[in-house]
Amino acid sequence: EMQLLESGGGLVQPGGSLRLSCATSGFTFNTCALTWLRQPLGKGLEWVSVISGGSDRTEYADSVKGRFTISRDNSKNTVYLQMNSLRVDDTAVYYCAADQTAPGTFFPDLWGQGILVTVSS
Amino acid sequence: DVILTQSPLSLPVTLGQPASISCRSSQSLVYNDGNTYLTWFQQRPGQSPRRLIYKVSNRDSGVPDRFSGSGSGTDFTLTISRVEAEDVGVYYCMQGTHWPPLTFGGGTKVEIK
Repeated sequence: EMQLLESGGGLVQPGGSLRLSCATSGFTFNTCALTWLRQPLGKGLEWVSVISGGSDRTEYADSVKGRFTISRDNSKNTVYLQMNSLRVDDTAVYYCAADQTAPGTFFPDLWGQGILVTVSS
Repeated sequence: DVILTQSPLSLPVTLGQPASISCRSSQSLVYNDGNTYLTWFQQRPGQSPRRLIYKVSNRDSGVPDRFSGSGSGTDFTLTISRVEAEDVGVYYCMQGTHWPPLTFGGGTKVEIK
């Protein structure tokens, strides 16, 4: 069974940092693009970042560019999101998602259960 | 960025009746490989999103056949042929043709009358 499990969320002050992790199982991790997305409570979905299977390509939403860094460890089947200079409007449930469409695509097809990040003083 | 406009915002439906959700794009979603990367997700209350339909009309494994996707170019539709109680939730369309960024519609809330 394919699974993704996020961890590392919590409460942080504005300007602070957090690192999210997403441990996966049940699929071929090292050829699969992984995506982070977020959803403010009661609101819609926002794409945040994506990383290719070989880590040779990364992309970011303008809202997080320069503050967030996506990475992966193929030996641990885990993808990370380092979040720095956090702002109140970064508060959201963060999801990781795996591409299942086709080799070379970068879509969020299979989602984890999400982890809450709250940025507040 | 591509803007996806979903309608209606809220859709009260009688059990057993059909329901349709529209998703309109600010530009054509046909990619240069000939595919149209328009996806539909379902988010039940308290759950994470689940992919239902990809590339306009391809239903995911395990998705009931009462769900179908159609459309082309800039206009797309998700149809539920006969709504069941478990279909309550918010439905989102997403485009992956012109990215980054991937963009989502604002969501349509399906509820039972």
